[in-house]
Amino acid sequence: EAQVTQNPRYLITVTGKKLTVTCSQNMNHEYMSWYRQDPGLGLRQIYYSMNVEVTDKGDVPEGYKVSRKEKRNFPLILESPSPNQTSLYFCASSSPGLMNTEAFFGQGTRLTVV
Amino acid sequence: GENVEQHPSTLSVQEGDSAVIKCTYSDSASNYFPWYKQELGKRPQLIIDIRSNVGEKKDQRIAVTLNKTAKHFSLHITETQPEDSAVYFCAARGIFGNEKLTFGTGTRLTIIP
Repeated sequence: EAQVTQNPRYLITVTGKKLTVTCSQNMNHEYMSWYRQDPGLGLRQIYYSMNVEVTDKGDVPEGYKVSRKEKRNFPLILESPSPNQTSLYFCASSSPGLMNTEAFFGQGTRLTVV
Repeated sequence: GENVEQHPSTLSVQEGDSAVIKCTYSDSASNYFPWYKQELGKRPQLIIDIRSNVGEKKDQRIAVTLNKTAKHFSLHITETQPEDSAVYFCAARGIFGNEKLTFGTGTRLTIIP
């Protein structure tokens, strides 16, 4: 079954404690991205990756890091989380280009930073 | 970069009536326009999409129209049912160096029984 898997689904952490949210896809998609969803602001892109070892900033990259060492995995790293990073996070993958296929989303990770 | 505006932010319609959600985009190079539905507590899922070489696309009770000249596209849901209640997002994307999917801010649709 084609899917994007995120872990964990829920996370409560304290300010400054490094955390990683994992994302894995089994569709051999080149393009992966992270979004945060906040009320009234929709889905805003944090970082994206066009392929292995190729990553770039999205619209709201401050306070986040990513890596793309393998095609299937695209973890999101918060080195020193702060309360304003409390949000719902989604990972997505797609295979853009001529076909412009749909983006598949993970289940979401609800992060609370206290 | 691309900017997508979506209206209205909330919409309530009587069951059986039609609902229309409108979006505008700024980048004339965008050529792919998907619509996502997000039910409470779940991930966004694609319900319909349209490419820039097509003016209208229909799938049962949902349809999307695209006006490239005016840079706007709309989602139409006919004969609404309670299960249509959700948040709907429009998005726009280009190709070859502009693959970023830019989302609108969402419309919360409530179907009144």
